[in-house]
Amino acid sequence: DQQVKQNSPSLSVQEGRISILNCDYTNSMFDYFLWYKKYPAEGPTFLISISSIKDKNEDGRFTVFLNKSAKHLSLHIVPSQPGDSAVYFCAASAHRLKYSGNTGKLIFGQGTTLQVKP
Amino acid sequence: DAGITQSPRYKITETGRQVTLMCHQTWSHSYMFWYRQDLGHGLRLIYYSAAADITDKGEVPDGYVVSRSKTENFPLTLESATRSQTSVYFCASSDPGLRGWNQYFGPGTRLLVL
Repeated sequence: DQQVKQNSPSLSVQEGRISILNCDYTNSMFDYFLWYKKYPAEGPTFLISISSIKDKNEDGRFTVFLNKSAKHLSLHIVPSQPGDSAVYFCAASAHRLKYSGNTGKLIFGQGTTLQVKP
Repeated sequence: DAGITQSPRYKITETGRQVTLMCHQTWSHSYMFWYRQDLGHGLRLIYYSAAADITDKGEVPDGYVVSRSKTENFPLTLESATRSQTSVYFCASSDPGLRGWNQYFGPGTRLLVL
């Protein structure tokens, strides 16, 4: 059973516009959420994160929103740039709770491929 | 150079052969992880390790073996490779001191099993 889902395999936006990537989770024990970005032939790199005690976290052009009641998070990129074209993974952890046993395990979604057109 | 490295970067092997993928990190992170990336599945955890000589299964451990005799190394062995193990494999490391258990990933090993 997929506990973290990214239902949109791909997204295409025009340069300068907003990109919105979505992620849903099912496990209410998750208390920390991360977004990773992955370019071809490279490993994923950390982008931005949010704790469950917040509903928004902003870092430059990137903002992550968390809606705990809906078990939904989203990543907004404004403005989108061609260099943002990559695969984006959301991930969740429950590191403070018994579920993960403090193993630091992350549960990843399937990924969304973002293409930003010049 | 500091960081996390994987070797080989590309590997072609045949069904039934044993293959070992290497992972080395220089940060002295206590936690290390192995994932495989497949289309439609994202990143799935194979095995992880909380410290030297401590390993545990992840979501898809069948057909894989790991060991961790030293903190910095975490090799992944496919005992008898199958075509279904064709994938891209990523190693990652983490430390309890990192906010949110952020994981740092290696560049990946692309494995093709014929």
